[in-house]
Amino acid sequence: DQQVKQNSPSLSVQEGRISILNCDYTNSMFDYFLWYKKYPAEGPTFLISISSIKDKNEDGRFTVFLNKSAKHLSLHIVPSQPGDSAVYFCAASLNSGGYQKVTFGTGTKLQVIP
Amino acid sequence: DGGITQSPKYLFRKEGQNVTLSCEQNLNHDAMYWYRQDPGQGLRLIYYSQIVNDFQKGDIAEGYSVSREKKESFPLTVTSAQKNPTAFYLCASRIRDTLGQAVTGVQPQHFGDGTRLSIL
Repeated sequence: DQQVKQNSPSLSVQEGRISILNCDYTNSMFDYFLWYKKYPAEGPTFLISISSIKDKNEDGRFTVFLNKSAKHLSLHIVPSQPGDSAVYFCAASLNSGGYQKVTFGTGTKLQVIP
Repeated sequence: DGGITQSPKYLFRKEGQNVTLSCEQNLNHDAMYWYRQDPGQGLRLIYYSQIVNDFQKGDIAEGYSVSREKKESFPLTVTSAQKNPTAFYLCASRIRDTLGQAVTGVQPQHFGDGTRLSIL
């Protein structure tokens, strides 16, 4: 049962345009959502997070939007740069017996074309 | 420079052999994790440890074992019982894994660069 889904395995965007990466989840108990970025042969690095009580969080070129009623979140990158080309993982966290259990999506490969 | 070091980067195993993947962190983090990544799949949790001398099974622990004798180290052994060990293995750590996070906000995990295990 995939509780966190990223239905687009890949996305191509022109440099300077907006990249929108989507993520859907099924468990309404998730209390935090995170986005990680991963380059080939490297581990994921944390990008941005959002609490379930918020609907938007912004950090520079990166903005995450949360729609709780639709159980959907999205990551917007504006403007997109070639260095943003990577795999982006959506993750959701919930408190399970005093432990924050994190569930990852399958990732979306973003290619930013110069 | 603080971080997580995984070694080796590439590892080959013969059928029936146990192999141990190393994970060391100098971030002074209490919690450590092992994940497995397969093509087209997300990161799946193998084992986690919230504190020294304690560890818990994750979602796919069968065929794996861990130890946490030191705060800095969380080695993963892939045993011969693991039927499909070929994968990319990621180690992660986090500053704490307690209910304190509900107040201070979620603490993201820090990841190593992974070990790719292949079967000969």
